[in-house]
Amino acid sequence: AQRVTQPEKLLSVFKGAPVELKCNYSYSGSPELFWYVQYSRQRLQLLLRHISRESIKGFTADLNKGETSFHLKKPFAQEEDSAMYYCALSAGGTSYGKLTFGQGTILTVHP
Amino acid sequence: AAGVIQSPRHLIKEKRETATLKCYPIPRHDTVYWYQQGPGQDPQFLISFYEKMQSDKGSIPDRFSAQQFSDYHSELNMSSLELGDSALYFCASSSTSTSGGGTQYFGPGTRLLVL
Repeated sequence: AQRVTQPEKLLSVFKGAPVELKCNYSYSGSPELFWYVQYSRQRLQLLLRHISRESIKGFTADLNKGETSFHLKKPFAQEEDSAMYYCALSAGGTSYGKLTFGQGTILTVHP
Repeated sequence: AAGVIQSPRHLIKEKRETATLKCYPIPRHDTVYWYQQGPGQDPQFLISFYEKMQSDKGSIPDRFSAQQFSDYHSELNMSSLELGDSALYFCASSSTSTSGGGTQYFGPGTRLLVL
């Protein structure tokens, strides 16, 4: 069975500081990893997927299979980045399967 | 662009009553997923449908059933409601045929409160 762990429930940084949201996973196969973001009173939105290798809103995430991690990073946090962030895994190496979510990290960026 | 629509947005029911949640996927999306998010918890997968057939099943109670109709909208039927069913129910849809295929787009959720 797959599992996603986000060790930090809350994370606070100041504007302009670097931020890293941690995500570790366990899955015996080849997973696909995602980061979803939920801004206040809005729906879950896809932020990143590892196969895209994109940088969205300044965020990047690298899949480290050796450490089974998919940490989300941004060099300079902005106040508008304050939100709930979920790391999610889709099993089987496809994009079409159910998502297993981590517990979420609430990021607060202070002015 | 059209997004995933869920109705109702809020629902209050008594114990042992039934509830029906509806999900309208993004046009031309062929797969629908249902997730349940309890208070302070992460979303948990319930069930999914691809081309109107059940494609995967998670921790969905036997009291719940779901289906996808010919117009691709989906309904989650919940019977004999219990207090523990109070949660936010998300629907998501995806397409297997687009270049970004498989990315799940979420609806705003239906917040169910069982009293």
